[in-house]
Amino acid sequence: DSGVTQTPKHLITATGQRVTLRCSPRSGDLSVYWYQQSLDQGLQFLIQYYNGEERAKGNILERFSAQQFPDLHSELNLSSLELGDSALYFCASSPDGEAFFGQGTRLTVV
Amino acid sequence: GESVGLHLPTLSVQEGDNSIINCAYSNSASDYFIWYKQESGKGPQFIIDIRSNMDKRQGQRVTVLLNKTVKHLSLQIAATQPGDSAVYFCAELLGNQFYFGTGTSLTVIP
Repeated sequence: DSGVTQTPKHLITATGQRVTLRCSPRSGDLSVYWYQQSLDQGLQFLIQYYNGEERAKGNILERFSAQQFPDLHSELNLSSLELGDSALYFCASSPDGEAFFGQGTRLTVV
Repeated sequence: GESVGLHLPTLSVQEGDNSIINCAYSNSASDYFIWYKQESGKGPQFIIDIRSNMDKRQGQRVTVLLNKTVKHLSLQIAATQPGDSAVYFCAELLGNQFYFGTGTSLTVIP
């Protein structure tokens, strides 16, 4: 158990809908990263927050947004969903260096 | 973005043999590297890390070698076991971002 909790584990939704994925980092970790992993693909960096502020942005679509709250949990919002958004979405937290990953949320868009 | 690539997408080894998984990185300014193991349906799990001021680091049954001259990273697994079957990712920390390779799928043949 990495100490990073992601909910829900599975999510099935229709095209055009909006979903929110939640991540609780390890206690004390200020950095939260979000990654997307499509089938047979590597981890694509989406966005990083540090202590509530956006620190780095990767290949994140405009339809996607994220935030980190004062209690350091983070949410990834995906809107106007398309079939191609179906993927595993991972959250990772880091104190400084090594990143600890959650078990992911598997999103299926039908 | 940065390029972290793996030489071989798949690797099959006999149980008990040693495994070597390779990774190339592109930015000589990267100063921290991690190997992750990802089993099916799970999040990436930290295996071992190495900083750029080292060229070798050993863990339990695993060794990471860093060759900064050719920007190459390798993971050696001794006495490979069926439980080692997974996808292995190398990750490079540059600035505040982790950049992941596409992964090598290791299959251990009993």
